[in-house]
Amino acid sequence: EIVMTQSPATLSVSPGDRATLSCRASQSVRTNLAWYQLKPGQPPRLLIYDASTTATGIPARFSGSGSGTEFTLTISSLQSEDVAVYSCLQYNNRPQFSFGPGTKVDIK
Amino acid sequence: QVQLVDSGGGVVQPGRSLRLSCAASGFIFSNYAMHWVRQAPGKGLEWVAVTSHDGSQKFYADSVKGRFTISRDNSRNTLYLQMNRLRAEDTAVYYCSRTCDFLTGYCAFDYWGQGTLVAVSS
Repeated sequence: EIVMTQSPATLSVSPGDRATLSCRASQSVRTNLAWYQLKPGQPPRLLIYDASTTATGIPARFSGSGSGTEFTLTISSLQSEDVAVYSCLQYNNRPQFSFGPGTKVDIK
Repeated sequence: QVQLVDSGGGVVQPGRSLRLSCAASGFIFSNYAMHWVRQAPGKGLEWVAVTSHDGSQKFYADSVKGRFTISRDNSRNTLYLQMNRLRAEDTAVYYCSRTCDFLTGYCAFDYWGQGTLVAVSS
């Protein structure tokens, strides 16, 4: 089983500033990693897949990088609507998929 | 447009059963693997189960293996999750989601249902 961890647990960022979130896998997942935005009462929203490909309709301020075991989601200029929990998903170890516990992003 | 509509949630006593449904539209349902993912209150997402595009392959998280059964009816474009011997720790919002065929490709979960709440309580 691949265990996903995320840091920090909570991130407070001023509007317009950069937010950098980390996701780590217990073993290599190559680039088979996605990022999701979670808001209360809404289904998860796919932001990034294949570690660095931005999903359709996602603003350009969201970007992803990394490979192997270390991954980063960057929000270049935080907007109020970006307040949410962000979770990573590995889909390399099929058919066992695993999510990270999430990073909560709020406005400072 | 792609649409997934989850239903069937509710309040159920420990040890009882419940069946969830996910009605799909806007895409060729039989071309995609389908998953159930859940989110317990205040917790992160947990992958629950997957069925291959034709229903021939099914896999489960250890936490539900032997109690939950995933199935699909491609003629009705519907995914199911039969949940037996429910426990308090199964309380969560359950989402259906799709991916490409996991037997041959590596794909993220792109579209999700709106979720259905299952509360296991006496």
